[in-house]
Amino acid sequence: GIQVEQSPPDLILQEGANSTLRCNFSDSVNNLQWFHQNPWGQLINLFYIPSGTKQNGRLSATTVATERYSLLYISSSQTTDSGVYFCAVGGEGGNEKLTFGTGTRLTIIP
Amino acid sequence: SAVISQKPSRDICQRGTSLTIQCQVDSQVTMMFWYRQQPGQSLTLIATANQGSEATYESGFVIDKFPISRPNLTFSTLTVSNMSPEDSSIYLCSVRGFSNYEQYFGPGTRLTVT
Repeated sequence: GIQVEQSPPDLILQEGANSTLRCNFSDSVNNLQWFHQNPWGQLINLFYIPSGTKQNGRLSATTVATERYSLLYISSSQTTDSGVYFCAVGGEGGNEKLTFGTGTRLTIIP
Repeated sequence: SAVISQKPSRDICQRGTSLTIQCQVDSQVTMMFWYRQQPGQSLTLIATANQGSEATYESGFVIDKFPISRPNLTFSTLTVSNMSPEDSSIYLCSVRGFSNYEQYFGPGTRLTVT
């Protein structure tokens, strides 16, 4: 099956810093989503982005499908950004299933 | 986005018993999924819950251990049967709506098996 690797595995930043999280996947995809899991365990959908670039406030994401990677940018980090960020991908042919990446644990220090 | 609720939110169970987790959505959805998240790990898909027919299980998961029902387009249950401590995990219900490919997650059920 498709492999999804995220880097870095852990990231500790001061409040106000910017960060870039990376997601590499091993095969062609037609579905890519970024999620944030807060410290209480709730998963929030941040972006549906199989290709191109999207922005939502301080967050933006870019997927380069031909090179099999996606990037999540967080600017001016706040303590509420802490948690685990997951990339999840779905394969070709209308495959509805998502395969989740290994995750990046982000800790924002006040 | 859909509003998803799960019951129970957490439970502590004895080995050998079974627990049924409910997932209720506030609107009709096309796809419903069940995931497991073991402590400190990523999410693993258990199965796709199909309305009116048997669920589609992923490799490593079987119906006898994780029976699933989906009687309509807004409700599904997952049962964890004959539990062992290795079943201690967060179990998450996820849905995909009719109008887009985005997936949304319920708050999860934290299960501890002693």
